[in-house]
Amino acid sequence: EIVLTQSPGTLSLSPGERATLSCRASQSVSSNYLAWYQQKPGQAPRLLIYGASSRATGIPDRFSGSGSGTDFTLTINRLEPEDFAVYYCQQYGSSPTWTFGLGTKVEIK
Amino acid sequence: EVQLVESGGGLVQPGGSLRLSCAVSGFTVSTKHMGWVRQAPGKGLEWVSVIYSGDNTYYADSVRGRFTISRDNSKNTLYLQMDSLKSEDTAVYYCARAGSGSYRGTFDPWGQGTLVTVSS
Repeated sequence: EIVLTQSPGTLSLSPGERATLSCRASQSVSSNYLAWYQQKPGQAPRLLIYGASSRATGIPDRFSGSGSGTDFTLTINRLEPEDFAVYYCQQYGSSPTWTFGLGTKVEIK
Repeated sequence: EVQLVESGGGLVQPGGSLRLSCAVSGFTVSTKHMGWVRQAPGKGLEWVSVIYSGDNTYYADSVRGRFTISRDNSKNTLYLQMDSLKSEDTAVYYCARAGSGSYRGTFDPWGQGTLVTVSS
């Protein structure tokens, strides 16, 4: 079973700054089946990135994903007030199985 | 407009059963992969189960043998039958469409969730 490790646990930044979130997999993620989600308090998660680097429908271009194999990154350029939330990476693997990381909280500094 | 609305959550004693429903509008459940994801209070997301459009079903190890995913095509509704419930099953349960094609492996969109509390 692939384990996803997200870092840091909490990121304290100011609006307008850039956020860089890391997701490391214990084994290579096949075909880059790596996604990122945003979750705000009291809300359901929302898909941001699929296939490691493709933005989902309606997601602003300040969100970008990169990486392959075992190391993936979510970058949020010019943080907006509505971007402060928890972000989860998730992989889809053989069997099939779906695995989430523990999340990174982006908070206002 | 695509909408997923969960219901059926509540308080249940350990060892008890509960059936969650997810009423879907905006697309046909029988032609899509569908899944359940849960979130324990203050914790992260955990995949629970997925049913493929071809009726294959998949379960997390933590629920296999106790939970059953199904759908009623006539009602365009997804279900999760939960038996032999344990305190560690306490969570908000979300239903979501599981992606295919270039969206394979993703969950999108999601319902608003329904809270299941297992406690005596």
